Amino acid sequence: SQQGEEDPQALSIQEGENATMNCSYKTSINNLQWYRQNSGRGLVHLILIRSNEREKHSGRLRVTLDTSKKSSSLLITASRAADTASYFCATQSGTYKYIFGTGTRLKVLA
Amino acid sequence: DTGVSQNPRHKITKRGQNVTFRCDPISEHNRLYWYRQTLGQGPEFLTYFQNEAQLEKSRLLSDRFSAERPKGSFSTLEIQRTEQGDSAMYLCASSPTTEAFFGQGTRLTVV
Repeated sequence: SQQGEEDPQALSIQEGENATMNCSYKTSINNLQWYRQNSGRGLVHLILIRSNEREKHSGRLRVTLDTSKKSSSLLITASRAADTASYFCATQSGTYKYIFGTGTRLKVLA
Repeated sequence: DTGVSQNPRHKITKRGQNVTFRCDPISEHNRLYWYRQTLGQGPEFLTYFQNEAQLEKSRLLSDRFSAERPKGSFSTLEIQRTEQGDSAMYLCASSPTTEAFFGQGTRLTVV
């Protein structure tokens, strides 16, 4: 079963614009991670945010976490065509397994 | 290449046949995971190993599925008597602590 849901399901933007995608989850967590997946390929780890953190940055990525609302957002600034991919959030709770959301399909138009 | 390696990358099999996939994790990662992903969905957890011990199995892992990780190194996932519903991408990941690193996956098509 899926823990989280990403919103929107699909997003289409112009190159240079910012892209924001959201993730909501159901249970308390230890950490939340964002992954990117290019079509038909494996997942690439982007960033991890722990439950006691509220915001993290990595290059053009900014992640926020609101544990009171059980939600996270991923912001990609100055998007590029190469950012076109599906983006998934994954949560870790009491066990070691990662539970993934349903994903946001991002398309960046050149 | 020191990433997670999965073989084969693609497998087409006839319904009823057995298939086996292999995953070679990143060296010294003691945690290993198997996931299944169908088109348009997020990965679904199948099973987790810590070293050679299989610590958790999903209800998705029916009796036809078995996974092993002998000596805590590579892992195999076997599906017996494949069904068309088994068609999916099978992903392996390894982790030293909290961040998981995924392989490129094995795409299974059951015809």
